[in-house]
Amino acid sequence: QKEVEQNSGPLSVPEGAIASLNCTYSDRGSQSFFWYRQYSGKSPELIMSIYSNGDKEDGRFTAQLNKASQYVSLLIRDSQPSDSATYLCAVNSGYSTLTFGKGTMLLVSP
Amino acid sequence: DTAVSQTPKYLVTQMGNDKSIKCEQNLGHDTMYWYKQDSKKFLKIMFSYNNKELIINETVPNRFSPKSPDKAHLNLHINSLELGDSAVYFCASSPILEGGPDEQYFGPGTRLTVT
Repeated sequence: QKEVEQNSGPLSVPEGAIASLNCTYSDRGSQSFFWYRQYSGKSPELIMSIYSNGDKEDGRFTAQLNKASQYVSLLIRDSQPSDSATYLCAVNSGYSTLTFGKGTMLLVSP
Repeated sequence: DTAVSQTPKYLVTQMGNDKSIKCEQNLGHDTMYWYKQDSKKFLKIMFSYNNKELIINETVPNRFSPKSPDKAHLNLHINSLELGDSAVYFCASSPILEGGPDEQYFGPGTRLTVT
């Protein structure tokens, strides 16, 4: 069974710090990896996608992928209280379907 | 303009009833999905559907059936509702680009409460 594992948290960081969110996956054949942000009571919002090994940067967000280690991470620089949310790691598990982790709750304190 | 929309936003009903949730996307995407998010916030695929193929998650009871009148719409019909069906149901869509990006975009969700 294809699995995506995340630490449920909460991960607490002070405002301005770097938040590091981690995810591991079981299907070595996975090709697409995504990070979604979900505020309480809202729908998942796509913030990053990554397809190749290495780093991908978009503003304050950096996604990192290591297929050999089956590991994907998200770094949030200069964390803001508005970044407080649950971050969902998702992996394409075939037929364009996504397998989601259970999410990591991030709390950024002012 | 809303990219992926769902109606209704809230649905409260009694056990045994039949209900439908509607989804529409104006992104021109080829594939649409239904996800269920339970009380523990775990998001799980139920169906993926495009014009050619319906992929059914084998763990989904056959009381749940997706119906797609056209490429932009995917409705979810639920028969004989049970207490355990209470959850938030999300519709999503993505383009089909062989070997290309397959990012999925989610609707606002429908909170179903079965009493």
